[in-house]
Amino acid sequence: DAEITQSPRHKITETGRQVTLACHQTWNHNNMFWYRQDLGHGLRLIHYSYGVQDTNKGEVSDGYSVSRSNTEDLPLTLESAASSQTSVYFCASSEGQGNTEAFFGQGTRLTVV
Amino acid sequence: GENVEQHPSTLSVQEGDSAVIKCTYSDSASNYFPWYKQELGKRPQLIIDIRSNVGEKKDQRIAVTLNKTAKHFSLHITETQPEDSAVYFCAASRTGRRALTFGSGTRLQVQP
Repeated sequence: DAEITQSPRHKITETGRQVTLACHQTWNHNNMFWYRQDLGHGLRLIHYSYGVQDTNKGEVSDGYSVSRSNTEDLPLTLESAASSQTSVYFCASSEGQGNTEAFFGQGTRLTVV
Repeated sequence: GENVEQHPSTLSVQEGDSAVIKCTYSDSASNYFPWYKQELGKRPQLIIDIRSNVGEKKDQRIAVTLNKTAKHFSLHITETQPEDSAVYFCAASRTGRRALTFGSGTRLQVQP
């Protein structure tokens, strides 16, 4: 079955280290998104992509970057991890050029110590 | 950009009662309004959505209403069951912007 998977599921890293979270989908969706989930803030958009070589900043993009070299993957990189980036990260994908259902990955719980 | 506000943040109801969650949005161009349910430790999943050309949509015990003039939309759950206990998120987007802006979430607890 087609799916969207994130790895790792849990990660602990130290302040200042570079961290990359993986997101892989097999639906051939052109749209991919990264959100972070924090208590009281819901899901906030970090970066998004509408296709290969397309990337865009979301509302909380500082300190994060993404790249889209193929349809299936949108890795999220924290350039220099900070304690404020401790969060649960969700990747999502959707198809088409209109507004359609977004399918979420299982989430990655990142702790920066 | 779009701003979505959601109320209440927590809601406790007795099994069998109805639950209502309300959201307001700021961008008058928004035309797509989905609702997601997130069970504890799980991923958010779409439960119902509505587009701006429709005022109400129903799916079994779940319904969503939209008031474009007032820029608010609501989720109604009737005959609540313990398995309805979860966090519910509203969201909004508009044509040309496929990324969703989410509300802050409502934790619904259904007491048996």
